[in-house]
Amino acid sequence: AQSVTQPDIHITVSEGASLELRCNYSYGATPYLFWYVQSPGQGLQLLLKYFSGDTLVQGIKGFEAEFKRSQSSFNLRKPSVHWSDAAEYFCAVGAYYTGNQFYFGTGTSLTVIP
Amino acid sequence: DAGVTQSPTHLIKTRGQQVTLRCSPKSGHDTVSWYQQALGQGPQFIFQYYEEEERQRGNFPDRFSGHQFPNYSSELNVNALLLGDSALYLCASSLRGGGSMNTEAFFGQGTRLTVV
Repeated sequence: AQSVTQPDIHITVSEGASLELRCNYSYGATPYLFWYVQSPGQGLQLLLKYFSGDTLVQGIKGFEAEFKRSQSSFNLRKPSVHWSDAAEYFCAVGAYYTGNQFYFGTGTSLTVIP
Repeated sequence: DAGVTQSPTHLIKTRGQQVTLRCSPKSGHDTVSWYQQALGQGPQFIFQYYEEEERQRGNFPDRFSGHQFPNYSSELNVNALLLGDSALYLCASSLRGGGSMNTEAFFGQGTRLTVV
């Protein structure tokens, strides 16, 4: 069965500190992987995506993620967090043949303290 | 470019009633997907419309139905509303490429539905 697990429900980091959000997936086909960010009361904004090729992908706002097939993981990282990064982060998985039928994790809420 | 627009932004309905939510895709996009996001949860796929037909469907009952119009806009209809239908309903639009995988999906701001 297809599923996405985000083990950290809530993370608090200090501004300027590094960040890593974890994502593990279970998928029966070659996965396409995504990270989205959602601010309160807002829709989802795509941070980055992995389809194939280089397993380290760069996204917007200084985020990057690394696909590790052996660990079924796609963790999101940022070297230095800004206060404006406080939001809810969702990992999602899809497949080539399912269009935009994504399976989302339950999200990780990020709090940034000054 | 207005991006993906959804209406209304908020809605309160009574149990048993019916509701219609609307979505206008980003300019140039031809595919619309609908998601339900319950409080504290990730979005769950309801269905996807392309060429005015439902192409894929998630695990939602028949009370959830939709439509896509020739201008690619879409409606989500929910009949016999239950308290558990209270959620943020998100619309995502994309352009169907040469294969089955769409290009990047853009999400609207959502419609917050409250069933009382």
